[in-house]
Amino acid sequence: QQQVKQSPQSLIVQKGGISIINCAYENTAFDYFPWYQQFPGKGPALLIAIRPDVSEKKEGRFTISFNKSAKQFSLHIMDSQPGDSATYFCAAKETSGSRLTFGEGTQLTVNP
Amino acid sequence: GAVVSQHPSWVICKSGTSVKIECRSLDFQATTMFWYRQFPKQSLMLMATSNEGSKATYEQGVEKDKFLINHASLTLSTLTVTSAHPEDSSFYICSAREWEGLTDTQYFGPGTRLTVL
Repeated sequence: QQQVKQSPQSLIVQKGGISIINCAYENTAFDYFPWYQQFPGKGPALLIAIRPDVSEKKEGRFTISFNKSAKQFSLHIMDSQPGDSATYFCAAKETSGSRLTFGEGTQLTVNP
Repeated sequence: GAVVSQHPSWVICKSGTSVKIECRSLDFQATTMFWYRQFPKQSLMLMATSNEGSKATYEQGVEKDKFLINHASLTLSTLTVTSAHPEDSSFYICSAREWEGLTDTQYFGPGTRLTVL
């Protein structure tokens, strides 16, 4: 029940295309959903996060879509660039808790 | 965003020695910090939760005597890998929890690559 399932495991997109990464969860107590971007040899960096009171949040080229009834959320990267090539992790947390539950990660490659 | 640093960024040591990794929150106070371990092409694995002024809470399967955690101040947590062996070689990442009102965000350090020969 604590798991967060992330797909796909890897994704290849052409420059300018849209990258979509999906996550699903079971724990209905989760109410904070961040996405982290990690480059090789670096720590994860917070990209964007959403709480269930909204269905969508956009920051620049990055958008989170949240479907509470389906217990799913996704990251959309518009106009993908080679510099976006990285591993992306979704995560979830309960308000009452402190720990993040991470998805398995998606390795994104954006070809020039 | 808030900044978390780690030192050293990489370390190579001989089997049997101990290695200390520092994690600092540079522009905020963190009562809670976390230590993760990450293997190549895998997700982050939480090792322990570090609370300022109290004992760390270790995840199941993590040896407390092997991985010593000290959170002596609101901006510093340390992880000491005692009597390191080659199987301890990994990428260790810390994070710090920043509160803004009633909401919190975890910010990660840049990681420390440990290689045990």
